[in-house]
Amino acid sequence: GQSLEQPSEVTAVEGAIVQINCTYQTSGFYGLSWYQQHDGGAPTFLSYNALDGLEETGRFSSFLSRSDSYGYLLLQELQMKDSASYFCAVREANQAGTALIFGKGTTLSVSS
Amino acid sequence: DSGVTQTPKHLITATGQRVTLRCSPRSGDLSVYWYQQSLDQGLQFLIHYYNGEERAKGNILERFSAQQFPDLHSELNLSSLELGDSALYFCASSVVRETGELFFGEGSRLTVL
Repeated sequence: GQSLEQPSEVTAVEGAIVQINCTYQTSGFYGLSWYQQHDGGAPTFLSYNALDGLEETGRFSSFLSRSDSYGYLLLQELQMKDSASYFCAVREANQAGTALIFGKGTTLSVSS
Repeated sequence: DSGVTQTPKHLITATGQRVTLRCSPRSGDLSVYWYQQSLDQGLQFLIHYYNGEERAKGNILERFSAQQFPDLHSELNLSSLELGDSALYFCASSVVRETGELFFGEGSRLTVL
């Protein structure tokens, strides 16, 4: 089986930096993904880390440490539109194939 | 627009009924995933199909079934509906079988009364 832990809520102000952590336990690890979901909308892919280290894409960065079973999403220069839920996800292997399993999500509220 | 199309967008039905949700993946994508999202809950993995074959199954109830057709569209069938089945059902697709990047449709919101 697998489990993912991430904080349920994070609050920040515009212009700030926020880090959303994710720890995972899984029997077969292939990589860690991050998704953003605005209220009631479709989740959208943000990043994927298969190897240790930091991946940067504009204002968003994602980090992975496979030895620590830990990753984080770093959001810089926060904007009001960044208020959303953020999900980490890992690929879980079973006999037939693999599935992308999501954490319960972190609700980010950005205030002015 | 992710390129993944789900129909219907909204569906209201009664307990005990059966519904079918449809998903058309992005052009060229062979993998289709189904997820359930209840109020204030995360995305619960239901099932994954690749090129017509079931590849992985999550916590999908026996009352639920799915299939992927030769044209790669997929249908999720929900039967003997209960109040607790009310949720957003998302379909997602990807071009390869194993990937961390999925493209999600806008979802089908099911309300069971």
